[in-house]
Amino acid sequence: EDKVVQSPLSLVVHEGDTVTLNCSYEVTNFRSLLWYKQEKKAPTFLFMLTSSGIEKKSGRLSSILDKKELFSILNITATQTGDSAIYLCAGPFLSGTYKYIFGTGTRLKVLA
Amino acid sequence: DARVTQTPRHKVTEMGQEVTMRCQPILGHNTVFWYRQTMMQGLELLAYFRNRAPLDDSGMPKDRFSAEMPDATLATLKIQPSEPRDSAVYFCASGLVGQVNTEAFFGQGTRLTVV
Repeated sequence: EDKVVQSPLSLVVHEGDTVTLNCSYEVTNFRSLLWYKQEKKAPTFLFMLTSSGIEKKSGRLSSILDKKELFSILNITATQTGDSAIYLCAGPFLSGTYKYIFGTGTRLKVLA
Repeated sequence: DARVTQTPRHKVTEMGQEVTMRCQPILGHNTVFWYRQTMMQGLELLAYFRNRAPLDDSGMPKDRFSAEMPDATLATLKIQPSEPRDSAVYFCASGLVGQVNTEAFFGQGTRLTVV
Protein backbone atom coordinates (compact mmCIF):
# COMPACT_ATOMS: atom_id res chain seq x y z
CA GLU A 1 0.00 0.00 0.00
CA ASP A 2 1.36 3.43 -0.91
CA LYS A 3 2.33 5.54 2.05
CA VAL A 4 3.45 9.09 2.81
CA VAL A 5 5.22 9.91 6.07
CA GLN A 6 6.00 13.42 7.19
CA SER A 7 8.31 14.60 9.92
CA PRO A 8 8.41 16.23 12.30
CA LEU A 9 4.76 16.14 13.30
CA SER A 10 5.06 19.60 14.81
CA LEU A 11 7.63 22.30 15.10
CA VAL A 12 7.89 25.59 16.98
CA VAL A 13 10.46 28.15 15.84
CA HIS A 14 11.12 31.86 16.17
CA GLU A 15 10.82 34.41 13.43
CA GLY A 16 13.91 34.45 11.26
CA ASP A 17 14.73 30.78 11.76
CA THR A 18 15.12 28.38 8.84
CA VAL A 19 13.10 25.17 8.90
CA THR A 20 13.28 21.94 6.93
CA LEU A 21 10.23 19.73 6.64
CA ASN A 22 10.54 16.14 5.49
CA CYS A 23 8.34 13.88 3.40
CA SER A 24 9.21 10.27 2.66
CA TYR A 25 7.17 7.89 0.59
CA GLU A 26 6.78 4.27 -0.38
CA VAL A 27 5.26 3.87 -3.79
CA THR A 28 5.17 1.44 -6.64
CA ASN A 29 5.09 3.71 -9.68
CA PHE A 30 6.06 7.24 -8.84
CA ARG A 31 4.70 10.15 -10.87
CA SER A 32 4.94 13.32 -8.79
CA LEU A 33 4.85 14.72 -5.30
CA LEU A 34 3.01 17.84 -4.14
CA TRP A 35 3.36 20.22 -1.23
CA TYR A 36 0.46 22.18 0.22
CA LYS A 37 0.06 24.77 2.95
CA GLN A 38 -3.06 24.73 5.10
CA GLU A 39 -3.92 27.62 7.34
CA LYS A 40 -7.43 27.82 8.69
CA LYS A 41 -9.29 26.67 5.63
CA ALA A 42 -8.52 24.62 2.55
CA PRO A 43 -5.05 23.41 1.57
CA THR A 44 -3.38 25.68 -0.96
CA PHE A 45 -0.88 24.41 -3.48
CA LEU A 46 2.82 25.20 -3.13
CA PHE A 47 4.88 22.94 -5.40
CA MET A 48 4.68 19.95 -7.70
CA LEU A 49 7.89 17.92 -7.99
CA THR A 50 8.44 15.38 -10.72
CA SER A 51 12.18 15.27 -11.37
CA SER A 52 14.91 14.41 -8.94
CA GLY A 53 17.40 17.06 -7.90
CA ILE A 54 15.64 20.06 -9.44
CA GLU A 55 14.80 22.68 -6.86
CA LYS A 56 11.50 24.50 -7.04
CA LYS A 57 11.50 27.93 -5.43
CA SER A 58 8.90 30.51 -4.50
CA GLY A 59 10.10 33.40 -2.40
CA ARG A 60 11.42 32.04 0.87
CA LEU A 61 10.10 28.55 0.20
CA SER A 62 11.92 25.91 -1.77
CA SER A 63 11.56 22.21 -2.28
CA ILE A 64 13.53 19.36 -3.81
CA LEU A 65 12.89 15.72 -4.56
CA ASP A 66 15.19 12.71 -4.25
CA LYS A 67 13.67 9.83 -6.22
CA LYS A 68 16.47 7.45 -5.36
CA GLU A 69 16.06 7.84 -1.60
CA LEU A 70 12.29 8.40 -1.89
CA PHE A 71 11.96 11.67 -0.06
CA SER A 72 11.39 15.36 -0.47
CA ILE A 73 12.16 18.37 1.70
CA LEU A 74 10.49 21.73 2.00
CA ASN A 75 12.68 24.56 3.23
CA ILE A 76 11.45 27.85 4.60
CA THR A 77 14.07 30.51 5.22
CA ALA A 78 13.69 33.64 7.37
CA THR A 79 10.39 32.35 8.76
CA GLN A 80 7.59 34.78 9.55
CA THR A 81 4.52 34.38 11.76
CA GLY A 82 2.46 34.11 8.57
CA ASP A 83 4.23 30.85 7.78
CA SER A 84 2.44 29.22 10.72
CA ALA A 85 0.33 26.48 9.17
CA ILE A 86 0.10 22.78 8.52
CA TYR A 87 2.31 21.71 5.62
CA LEU A 88 1.06 18.69 3.73
CA CYS A 89 2.85 16.40 1.33
CA ALA A 90 0.91 14.31 -1.19
CA GLY A 91 1.21 12.44 -4.43
CA PRO A 92 -0.49 11.01 -7.40
CA PHE A 93 1.85 8.13 -7.09
CA LEU A 94 0.48 5.35 -9.14
CA SER A 95 1.03 5.70 -12.83
CA GLY A 96 -2.37 5.78 -14.46
CA THR A 97 -4.27 6.04 -11.21
CA TYR A 98 -3.48 9.49 -9.88
CA LYS A 99 -4.89 9.00 -6.42
CA TYR A 100 -3.78 11.96 -4.29
CA ILE A 101 -2.77 10.54 -0.91
CA PHE A 102 -1.72 12.93 1.85
CA GLY A 103 0.68 12.57 4.73
CA THR A 104 -0.45 13.58 8.21
CA GLY A 105 1.26 16.94 7.85
CA THR A 106 3.75 19.00 9.83
CA ARG A 107 2.22 21.65 12.09
CA LEU A 108 4.56 24.66 12.07
CA LYS A 109 4.23 27.49 14.56
CA VAL A 110 6.42 30.57 14.15
CA LEU A 111 6.70 32.77 17.22
CA ALA A 112 7.25 36.52 16.97
CA ASP B 1 -11.42 33.09 -11.00
CA ALA B 2 -12.06 29.33 -11.21
CA ARG B 3 -12.66 27.61 -7.91
CA VAL B 4 -14.19 24.53 -6.36
CA THR B 5 -17.44 25.38 -4.63
CA GLN B 6 -18.82 23.37 -1.73
CA THR B 7 -22.16 23.66 0.03
CA PRO B 8 -23.11 23.93 2.78
CA ARG B 9 -20.11 25.46 4.52
CA HIS B 10 -21.37 24.37 7.92
CA LYS B 11 -23.87 21.73 8.95
CA VAL B 12 -25.08 20.73 12.39
CA THR B 13 -27.35 17.73 12.50
CA GLU B 14 -28.67 15.17 14.90
CA MET B 15 -27.46 11.61 14.98
CA GLY B 16 -29.43 9.43 12.59
CA GLN B 17 -30.24 12.20 10.13
CA GLU B 18 -29.21 12.16 6.49
CA VAL B 19 -26.54 14.63 5.40
CA THR B 20 -25.81 15.60 1.80
CA MET B 21 -22.76 17.64 0.84
CA ARG B 22 -22.38 19.10 -2.62
CA CYS B 23 -19.42 20.11 -4.72
CA GLN B 24 -19.07 21.96 -8.00
CA PRO B 25 -15.64 21.16 -9.47
CA ILE B 26 -13.66 23.52 -11.67
CA LEU B 27 -14.96 23.46 -15.23
CA GLY B 28 -12.78 21.24 -17.40
CA HIS B 29 -11.30 19.19 -14.57
CA ASN B 30 -11.74 15.46 -15.09
CA THR B 31 -11.00 14.18 -11.59
CA VAL B 32 -12.91 14.88 -8.37
CA PHE B 33 -11.86 13.84 -4.88
CA TRP B 34 -13.67 13.71 -1.54
CA TYR B 35 -11.53 13.99 1.60
CA ARG B 36 -12.33 14.00 5.30
CA GLN B 37 -10.10 15.84 7.73
CA THR B 38 -9.93 15.32 11.49
CA MET B 39 -7.27 16.20 14.01
CA MET B 40 -6.56 12.55 14.65
CA GLN B 41 -6.49 11.17 11.09
CA GLY B 42 -5.43 14.12 8.98
CA LEU B 43 -6.69 14.23 5.38
CA GLU B 44 -8.20 10.89 4.42
CA LEU B 45 -9.23 10.14 0.86
CA LEU B 46 -12.80 8.84 0.86
CA ALA B 47 -13.52 8.50 -2.85
CA TYR B 48 -12.57 9.82 -6.23
CA PHE B 49 -14.01 10.02 -9.71
CA ARG B 50 -12.48 10.21 -13.17
CA ASN B 51 -14.70 11.55 -15.93
CA ARG B 52 -17.63 11.06 -13.52
CA ALA B 53 -16.91 7.35 -13.04
CA PRO B 54 -16.10 6.22 -9.51
CA LEU B 55 -12.55 4.85 -9.46
CA ASP B 56 -11.93 4.18 -5.80
CA ASP B 57 -14.14 4.50 -2.75
CA SER B 58 -12.20 2.11 -0.53
CA GLY B 59 -11.64 4.88 2.03
CA MET B 60 -15.34 5.27 2.64
CA PRO B 61 -17.50 3.39 5.17
CA LYS B 62 -19.79 1.65 2.69
CA ASP B 63 -22.71 1.03 4.98
CA ARG B 64 -23.51 4.70 5.54
CA PHE B 65 -21.56 6.77 3.01
CA SER B 66 -22.22 7.13 -0.69
CA ALA B 67 -20.64 9.36 -3.33
CA GLU B 68 -22.04 10.15 -6.75
CA MET B 69 -21.40 12.42 -9.65
CA PRO B 70 -24.71 12.88 -11.46
CA ASP B 71 -23.18 15.30 -13.96
CA ALA B 72 -19.88 17.03 -14.70
CA THR B 73 -20.79 20.06 -12.59
CA LEU B 74 -21.96 18.28 -9.44
CA ALA B 75 -20.51 15.74 -7.03
CA THR B 76 -22.33 14.67 -3.89
CA LEU B 77 -21.35 12.91 -0.69
CA LYS B 78 -24.15 11.51 1.40
CA ILE B 79 -24.14 10.09 4.91
CA GLN B 80 -27.16 8.12 6.06
CA PRO B 81 -27.56 7.68 8.96
CA SER B 82 -25.06 10.14 10.40
CA GLU B 83 -23.18 9.41 13.62
CA PRO B 84 -21.20 11.67 16.00
CA ARG B 85 -17.93 10.11 14.79
CA ASP B 86 -18.66 11.53 11.32
CA SER B 87 -18.03 15.03 12.68
CA ALA B 88 -15.18 16.43 10.59
CA VAL B 89 -14.40 18.82 7.78
CA TYR B 90 -15.19 17.34 4.38
CA PHE B 91 -13.25 18.67 1.43
CA CYS B 92 -13.92 18.29 -2.25
CA ALA B 93 -11.05 18.81 -4.68
CA SER B 94 -10.75 18.66 -8.44
CA GLY B 95 -7.88 18.36 -10.86
CA LEU B 96 -6.94 17.63 -14.44
CA VAL B 97 -5.20 14.31 -14.77
CA GLY B 98 -3.90 12.73 -17.93
CA GLN B 99 -1.17 13.77 -20.36
CA VAL B 100 -0.68 16.88 -18.25
CA ASN B 101 -1.37 16.68 -14.54
CA THR B 102 -2.44 19.57 -12.39
CA GLU B 103 -2.48 19.70 -8.66
CA ALA B 104 -5.72 19.11 -6.77
CA PHE B 105 -7.64 22.34 -6.17
CA PHE B 106 -9.59 22.32 -2.91
CA GLY B 107 -12.95 23.77 -2.02
CA GLN B 108 -13.44 25.58 1.29
CA GLY B 109 -14.88 22.48 2.94
CA THR B 110 -18.06 21.56 4.78
CA ARG B 111 -17.71 21.50 8.55
CA LEU B 112 -20.06 18.79 9.76
CA THR B 113 -21.08 18.41 13.38
CA VAL B 114 -23.27 15.47 14.36
CA VAL B 115 -24.75 15.75 17.84
